[in-house]
Formats: sequence, C-alpha cells, structure tokens
Amino acid sequence: DVKVTQSSRYLVKRTGEKVFLECVQDMDHENMFWYRQDPGLGLRLIYFSYDVKMKEKGDIPEGYSVSREKKERFSLILESASTNQTSMYLCASSPPLRGTGNTIYFGEGSWLTVV
Amino acid sequence: AQSVAQPEDQVKVAEGNPLTVKCTYSVSGNPYLFWYVQYPNRGLQFLLKYITGDNLVKGSYGFEAEFNKSQTSFHLKKPSALVSDSALYFCAVSTSNTGKLIFGQGTTLQVKP
Repeated sequence: DVKVTQSSRYLVKRTGEKVFLECVQDMDHENMFWYRQDPGLGLRLIYFSYDVKMKEKGDIPEGYSVSREKKERFSLILESASTNQTSMYLCASSPPLRGTGNTIYFGEGSWLTVV
Repeated sequence: AQSVAQPEDQVKVAEGNPLTVKCTYSVSGNPYLFWYVQYPNRGLQFLLKYITGDNLVKGSYGFEAEFNKSQTSFHLKKPSALVSDSALYFCAVSTSNTGKLIFGQGTTLQVKP
C-alpha cells in the first residue's frame, strides 16, 4: 500500500513563528503536493513538485514556500505564520499525472492552529 | 478552464437505502474522474476512478460511479447505505492534457440508522 506520512498531526504555533510541515512518501513517486483544506472552500493546491529540487506554485502559494531535497520528502514552510493560515494541511504524492489518469494518494493531514 | 461541481453540500439517507452523491464537470479534452472519501480528522482516501472504457466503475466499500459523457456527470452511488458511510466525499477531475487534479467543494453524506 502507498503510505504518505505527515509527521505532525496537530500543531499550535504563535503568530510570526516559522513553521515546518514535513511529509514523506514510500512509493518512489515523482510528484508531491501540498493542499490546504478549509470548510466551504474544498481543497486548494499550495505548491507541488514533480522532481527533486523542482517546485511549481499552485493556486494559493502566498505566504508559503516548499523544499524538496530528496525524492521521498516534501516540506511546507510558513516563513511567518499568521492566524489566517490556521487550517488543515494535506500532503499527497503520485506517479506522473499528465496523460495517465494515475491516482494521487494523501496523508492523514496536519491540523495547524496559529494563535 | 477545468471545474468540478458538487451541487449538494449535504446528502441525508436512511441506512439500507440507496445513495447518490452528485458530481458534474467541465473540461476541454477527455476527463479522468475520481472520487475520494474523508472521514473525520483523517486524510482523503481514494475510492474509484474513471479513465476510459466501461462507463460504470466499481470501487472500494461497495461504491460505484457512472460516467455520463453527454451530461458531463460522474455520480457516486451505493445500493444500500451503511451508517459507517457517513463522511465527506470529494469528486475530482483532470485531463490528458494537464497534470493537475481539480477538486469539487465536497458533499457531506449522513446515513441515519
């Protein structure tokens, strides 16, 4: 089975703190994704990566950055956390998507509260 | 532009009754369609997908979905609902031309005993 592991399930951080959300996948997938989930807004793509050290902005990249130094690991960074970044963050991975219909697999999610 | 619509925020059914969760899509090109389920405080779990071929797709936990090209729909169905099916359901679409998966807003399914 595909396993996408998000190391922190629940975090509480203070406004202005730097926050790291870590994600590891064990299926040698090329693609990795970070989504944000908010009630009534569904899932919104923050960033994705299709290879090591490669990244592309999604729909809502402002206030976030990412790092992919190894194929299995994709980190989401909040440089200076703000209260409007309180949300559920979902990491996902997949084989190549373009023209394939391959499936994206999700981790269990990280609940971040910024106070 | 690609888009996915789930017209119902919430669907309520009685246990044992059939259920339908609706999804319509708008894409240019041939669609790849997906259903995911999310239980409380959990991530999304893949249920089923349509890529090509038979319009009726069977997936996990007894769910199935029917692809209807003329109506641009991909409704999720189950013949007999269980209380444990209560969850949030997401429809998603991508196409052969893009590597991007677009999600609907989600539909909360409530199955009453």
